[in-house]
Amino acid sequence: QEQLVESGGGVVQSGRSLRLSCVASGFTFSSYSMHWVRQAPGKGLEWVAVISNDGTNKYYSDSVKGRFSISRDNSQNTLYLQMNSLGVEDTAVYFCARDWGYGSGTYFVSWGQGTLITVSS
Amino acid sequence: DIVMTQSPDSLAVSLGERATINCKSSQSVLYSSNKKNYLAWYQQKPGQPPKLLIYWASTRESGVPDRFSGSGSGTDFTLTISSLRAEDVAVYYCQHYYGTPITFGQGTRLEIK
Repeated sequence: QEQLVESGGGVVQSGRSLRLSCVASGFTFSSYSMHWVRQAPGKGLEWVAVISNDGTNKYYSDSVKGRFSISRDNSQNTLYLQMNSLGVEDTAVYFCARDWGYGSGTYFVSWGQGTLITVSS
Repeated sequence: DIVMTQSPDSLAVSLGERATINCKSSQSVLYSSNKKNYLAWYQQKPGQPPKLLIYWASTRESGVPDRFSGSGSGTDFTLTISSLRAEDVAVYYCQHYYGTPITFGQGTRLEIK
């Protein structure tokens, strides 16, 4: 059974940094692209970033480009999201999700339960 | 960026009746080389992550009941629930994956009438 478990959420002041982690199990982590998707309270889904299976290719939404960095450690089956210069607009539940394939991103086959980031002013 | 627009924003349907949710993309998500539509549908219940229902516009994910179906091509797509059950109350999202940035529709809230 596939499982994705996010951690690292919490309350952080505006302008500070935070790193999220997502530990994967139940599938061959190194074979698939991985994503971060977020959802502000009471709002819809927003794609944040994707990283290819080998970590070579990374793509970001315009809203986080230059502030967030996605990475992975295939030896530890772990996905990361380094978030810098956080603003109140980054307040959301952050989900990690497994892609169907290994490239620049397709659809999301499985999702974690999410971790809540609250940015205070 | 491709903008995904769903209609309606909310929908109330009687148990056993058909529910239809529409999704329109601002440009075609049909890839000419493989004739596939790069579109997926998800269901999200309160307090839960989204769940994949449909991909390639009309392929049902394993384990998804056959009352859920997807159709459409190019820029216009539909998710149909043929006979609504109480457990189908949720918010439904379409998503394109025709390149980055990946974008979602704003969501359609489905309730029981």
